[in-house]
Amino acid sequence: AQSVTQLGSHVSVSEGALVLLRCNYSSSVPPYLFWYVQYPNQGLQLLLKYTTGATLVKGINGFEAEFKKSETSFHLTKPSAHMSDAAEYFCAVRDSSASKIIFGSGTRLSIRP
Amino acid sequence: DGGITQSPKYLFRKEGQNVTLSCEQNLNHDAMYWYRQDPGQGLRLIYYSQIVNDFQKGDIAEGYSVSREKKESFPLTVTSAQKNPTAFYLCASSPRRADTGELFFGEGSRLTVL
Repeated sequence: AQSVTQLGSHVSVSEGALVLLRCNYSSSVPPYLFWYVQYPNQGLQLLLKYTTGATLVKGINGFEAEFKKSETSFHLTKPSAHMSDAAEYFCAVRDSSASKIIFGSGTRLSIRP
Repeated sequence: DGGITQSPKYLFRKEGQNVTLSCEQNLNHDAMYWYRQDPGQGLRLIYYSQIVNDFQKGDIAEGYSVSREKKESFPLTVTSAQKNPTAFYLCASSPRRADTGELFFGEGSRLTVL
């Protein structure tokens, strides 16, 4: 069965510093992978997705993620953190039946001034 | 504008009462989903529907019920059988078996049992 593991429930970085949020996946089929962002008391919004093709995918708000099959990872990065990046981030994988999305437990990102 | 509308945004319920959360979409998506969110546990799938008049249980369906009589609507009823219903509930939709698998979310409904 497909699953995702997010390492670190809370990450804190200084404004302007590199953001790195870790995600490892388990999948019996070629995975479709996603990162979503959630601001307080709101729904989730898609940041970026990997389906096939180029392994480095760029998303909104300057985020990008690299699919590494050998490491079963899909880490999310941003070169320079902004205060507005403070939110909860979820890694997700599409189920092999393509009928549902499975989410990780989330990582809360805090930005220090 | 196209999107997903959930109501109410906040809801309080006494123990033993059923409550229904509304989810409406005008994106012409075939598939709709209900997730429950608790702190530190991410999103857990309650029910999903890929077509009108059909739905499947997710990972935590006990104590919940749904209907899908119209393509646009997928209401969730939290019954008195749900032992710990206080949570944030999120509705989502996607084109049926879309290649991308991308979900579009509503803004959520926060249910508190008093």
